Amino acid sequence: AQSVTQLGSHVSVSEGALVLLRCNYSSSVPPYLFWYVQYPNQGLQLLLKYTTGATLVKGINGFEAEFKKSETSFHLTKPSAHMSDAAEYFCAVSDLVFGAGTILRVKS
Amino acid sequence: EAGVVQSPRYKIIEKKQPVAFWCNPISGHNTLYWYLQNLGQGPELLIRYENEEAVDDSQLPKDRFSAERLKGVDSTLKIQPAELGDSAVYLCASSLDGGETDTQYFGPGTRLTVL
Repeated sequence: AQSVTQLGSHVSVSEGALVLLRCNYSSSVPPYLFWYVQYPNQGLQLLLKYTTGATLVKGINGFEAEFKKSETSFHLTKPSAHMSDAAEYFCAVSDLVFGAGTILRVKS
Repeated sequence: EAGVVQSPRYKIIEKKQPVAFWCNPISGHNTLYWYLQNLGQGPELLIRYENEEAVDDSQLPKDRFSAERLKGVDSTLKIQPAELGDSAVYLCASSLDGGETDTQYFGPGTRLTVL
């Protein structure tokens, strides 16, 4: 069975600071990994996904994530937070098993 | 291009009443998903359709939940009778072919409150 653990249900950063949202997965097979963003009253939107190949994946809105097999991790980062990044972020494995989500708050 | 459309956006009902949710996927998308999202949690898959066929409904509580996707386009998810614990957001998503790396496109969801 596959599972996803997102460390930290809430993360708060200052505008312009580094964003780091943590995701660890469990999978018996090579995983496909996804990050989604959900703004209030909207559906989930794909930020980026890892399937095969390069382990550093770049997505929309300046986000990127690195697949680290040895650490079973797929953490999401952005060098400089913007107020518009405030939302809830979900990590998923094989696109059908989602983590509990991390709410990102950006302080001005 | 229109996204995934869901209606209603909000629904409040008394327990033991029936309720239905409707989803219209992106045109040309063969795969349709229904998810349940409880407060503070990620989406949980209820059922997945490939065209008209339900290919994964293992998490659908079949005693009270039912779904259909007639003609392989629109889909309806029904609960009868609703229970207090069914209060949640019901998400619909669609993808082109349902492959493991295929991108899912989500609708805004229907927020159900059972009183």
